[in-house]
Amino acid sequence: DSGVTQTPKHLITATGQRVTLRCSPRSGDLSVYWYQQSLDQGLQFLIQYYNGEERAKGNILERFSAQQFPDLHSELNLSSLELGDSALYFCASSVAGGGHTGELFFGEGSRLTVL
Amino acid sequence: AQSVTQLDSHVSVSEGTPVLLRCNYSSSYSPSLFWYVQHPNKGLQLLLKYTSAATLVKGINGFEAEFKKSETSFHLTKPSAHMSDAAEYFCVVSEGGSARQLTFGSGTQLTVLP
Repeated sequence: DSGVTQTPKHLITATGQRVTLRCSPRSGDLSVYWYQQSLDQGLQFLIQYYNGEERAKGNILERFSAQQFPDLHSELNLSSLELGDSALYFCASSVAGGGHTGELFFGEGSRLTVL
Repeated sequence: AQSVTQLDSHVSVSEGTPVLLRCNYSSSYSPSLFWYVQHPNKGLQLLLKYTSAATLVKGINGFEAEFKKSETSFHLTKPSAHMSDAAEYFCVVSEGGSARQLTFGSGTQLTVLP
C-alpha cells in the first residue's frame, strides 16, 4: 500500500459529460502529480501541484483542470469528455516539490470509460 | 532532450530462470534513472534508482540494474524469476528537478511461466 488514495476506482460516463477524480496524497507529501495511462499513449504526465500551487504542466488538455486544496488533497476535473479520454488516471505524490528525484508514490488509479 | 527506449515490449521466462529487461536512454546531461513496476490493477511502485552514485544498483525483491554510460543502458536483471514477478516494468529517465522532465518508457510486460 503506497498510502496514496484515489477515488473512484472505476467510472463510466457518456461523451460530453464532466467528471471529477480525487486524490489524497501520502501523509506528509506536499507534491501531487497526475498522469494519464492509455494503451496508445503510454504514461503521460499531466500536471503537478506543490503545496497548493501549480508547479509543472505537461500534456494536459484545456478541457482538463486540477487543483490542490489546503488539506493537500487534489482533484482532476475532466470536462466535455470524448471517447479518447478513456484511460487510467493515476495520482502520485512525493515529499519534494521543487527538486524532483523521481521517487513517486502512486495510487491505484481511476479507470475512466467514456461511452 | 531526453528519451528512453525499452527494447522489448514482452518478455517471457520460466520460473527460476534469470530475468533481463532492457532499457536504453538518451540524455544531454547526467541523468537519474529508475525502474518502476506495475502489477495488474495496481499503481506503479519504485523498484530501484540510479542517481550518479554506484553504477550497480540494488532494488527490492532481488532486482538490480547496472548503469553503463558508454552503452547508454540501464538494464534490469534478476537471477531467478518468481511467479510474483509477473508485471509490467517501466524504465524512467530524469534530467532535472521538474516533473516535466520525468520520461517513462513504453513498458515491458514480463510473463513468468511455471
